[in-house]
Amino acid sequence: AQSVAQPEDQVNVAEGNPLTVKCTYSVSGNPYLFWYVQYPNRGLQFLLKYITGDNLVKGSYGFEAEFNKSQTSFHLKKPSALVSDSALYFCAVRVPPPGGGNKLTFGTGTQLKVEL
Amino acid sequence: GAGVSQSPSNKVTEKGKDVELRCDPISGHTALYWYRQSLGQGLEFLIYFQGNSAPDKSGLPSDRFSAERTGGSVSTLTIQRTQQEDSAVYLCASRLTRVSTDTQYFGPGTRLTVL
Repeated sequence: AQSVAQPEDQVNVAEGNPLTVKCTYSVSGNPYLFWYVQYPNRGLQFLLKYITGDNLVKGSYGFEAEFNKSQTSFHLKKPSALVSDSALYFCAVRVPPPGGGNKLTFGTGTQLKVEL
Repeated sequence: GAGVSQSPSNKVTEKGKDVELRCDPISGHTALYWYRQSLGQGLEFLIYFQGNSAPDKSGLPSDRFSAERTGGSVSTLTIQRTQQEDSAVYLCASRLTRVSTDTQYFGPGTRLTVL
C-alpha cells in the first residue's frame, strides 16, 4: 500500500520569506511524486513532479521540490513567498505498474497562508 | 488548448435520486480518472479508464456508483439512490500515458449536495 503524509495542516509565512511545505511518503517501489495546488472553489492545478533524474525539480510559479530517497520526503519550497501563493497544497504519489497501480494517493493537504 | 471540463459545476439533489456527472478530458488523453474530495475523507480515487482496457473500479465505494467512458473520450459518473454521505466535490482528471508526461490534469470539479 502507498501513503502520503503532510504533517502540517497549516503553514503561515510572511511575504518575502522562504516557505516549506512538508511531505513524506511510504511506498513499495520507486515513486512518482507530485505537488498540486488548489485555490478556493477551483480544481487541482499541477505544480511539479519527480519521475526520475535530478532530485531537485522546478515547477510553476517559482516552486521547487527535492526528492530525498533516504528520508522518503518530497518537500515543497519557494525562496520568497507571495500573498498570492496562499492556497491548499497537496502532495501525491504513484507507483506505476508492475509494482503499483494507476491512481494517485494524496496527502491530506496543507493550507498555506502568506501574510503581508 | 482546452483543459478538462466538467458539468454541472454544482448539483443539488434529494436523497434517493440518481445523478449523472460528466467529464470531458483533454483531447488525445487516453487515461481518465475520477476522484472524490470530501471533508472527512480528503481526496479519494474512484475509478480509472485507460483506452479499451477494463476500467479499474477498485475505488468505487459501493455498487450505487458506476462510470462509463464512451468512445474513449467523454465519461459519465452515475450515482444511484444518492445518500447524504455522497455530498462531495467530484473531480475528473486525464493523462497522456507516457512516462515523460505522467501528469494528471484535473477539471474544476462538480460540487454535489445531497439534501
